[in-house]
Amino acid sequence: QIQLQQSGPGLVKPSQTLSLTCAVSGDGVSSNSAAWNWIRQSPSRGLEWLGRTYYRSNWYSDYAVSVKSRITINPDTSKNQFSLHLNSVTPDDTAVYYCARGGLSWALDCWGQGTLVTVSS
Amino acid sequence: DIVMTQSPDSLAVSLGERATINCKSSQSVLYSSNNKNYLAWYQQKPGQPPKLLIHWTSTRESGVPDRFSGSGSGTDFTLTISSLQAEDVAVYYCQQHYHIPYTFGQGTKLEIK
Repeated sequence: QIQLQQSGPGLVKPSQTLSLTCAVSGDGVSSNSAAWNWIRQSPSRGLEWLGRTYYRSNWYSDYAVSVKSRITINPDTSKNQFSLHLNSVTPDDTAVYYCARGGLSWALDCWGQGTLVTVSS
Repeated sequence: DIVMTQSPDSLAVSLGERATINCKSSQSVLYSSNNKNYLAWYQQKPGQPPKLLIHWTSTRESGVPDRFSGSGSGTDFTLTISSLQAEDVAVYYCQQHYHIPYTFGQGTKLEIK
């Protein structure tokens, strides 16, 4: 059974970096048939896909244009986890952040529990 | 970006009756090399992450009751719940899982009448 367990702070100050980690069990982040995504949800934006990383003989990443200049998603194969780093945050980045696995069809078939991140001084 | 538009925004249906939710994409989500429409449906209950119900328009995830079905092609898609149960009260989202960035509909809130 695949499980994703999120960790990271729930409060970040404006202009600082939001960092979250998603620990994977039941699958490997280096799997050739999965992709590892971050999505956020807020009342103003709804569900917003932020980016993904995946391994197909090499590591690849894709990011949403809206955050492309500020985001990095990194795999950590030694710990079988992946992370989200979003820098220069503003209150507009306040949201529930989810990690999720993309399966063979790329649909998001397993989700983390969600982390409410508030950007406030 | 592909814009996903759901209708209606909210829906109230009696227990045992049929519920139908529509989703329209601003561009085709058909991948010609495998002839599959990359359209997924998710169910979200309060305080929980979204749960994948259906991908590739009509392929149900393991464990999803067969009262949930998906149909459509190209840019127009439908989620049907054939006989509404109390546990189906939730917000439902469509998502195109073909083009980057993936995009979601705004959600349809399903309630009991």
